[in-house]
Amino acid sequence: DAKTTQPTSMDCAEGRAANLPCNHSTISGNEYVYWYRQIHSQGPQYIIHGLKNNETNEMASLIITEDRKSSTLILPHATLRDTAVYYCIVRLGLVSSGDKLTFGTGTRLAVRP
Amino acid sequence: EAGVTQFPSHSVIEKGQTVTLRCDPISGHDNLYWYRRVMGKEIKFLLHFVKESKQDESGMPNNRFLAERTGGTYSTLKVQPAELEDSGVYFCASSLREWGANVLTFGAGSRLTVL
Repeated sequence: DAKTTQPTSMDCAEGRAANLPCNHSTISGNEYVYWYRQIHSQGPQYIIHGLKNNETNEMASLIITEDRKSSTLILPHATLRDTAVYYCIVRLGLVSSGDKLTFGTGTRLAVRP
Repeated sequence: EAGVTQFPSHSVIEKGQTVTLRCDPISGHDNLYWYRRVMGKEIKFLLHFVKESKQDESGMPNNRFLAERTGGTYSTLKVQPAELEDSGVYFCASSLREWGANVLTFGAGSRLTVL
């Protein structure tokens, strides 16, 4: 699976958009970009994933560049409950590879009042 | 739909003792994974079951760890004998076994403290 690079930490004001970048310059054509987060003392939580197109769900939006070498997770209106470590993970979408996720160090997002 | 359930939520044992962690995946999920996070480190993959078969156990640290999934439903992870460095949070996750992108649903974790 391709390696990802994320900033160690970020912060944003409550109610504002949080934009979390991720670089995955070695991504291959059949690898998906996933975002998970871990709120303190809880299990990792799935947020969103995409292959080529931008994606949006009730939690966030995922913007993937045209060359797929980087992406941005957008939390449109961050709340204090969004304070967590956010993980950008790239993995193959093949049944044979399973769904094994390789977690890096992630980005620690602090939402301030 | 019930989520992934793990038991116990916290276990405190002494070095040399045995502990068994249990995971109940989401009903119908053939894939079951174990991960752990030790203090200050990243979340690390331990192993992957497809139904009752071990698909990938490359992350198991040593033979003191034994994972089972009899009948392809719930899974247990036994640590025997436990060592100090086994302390951490053990997460279980499950997913459907389908082509393409799948989503792992994680449990809340079992915190293991070895004294």
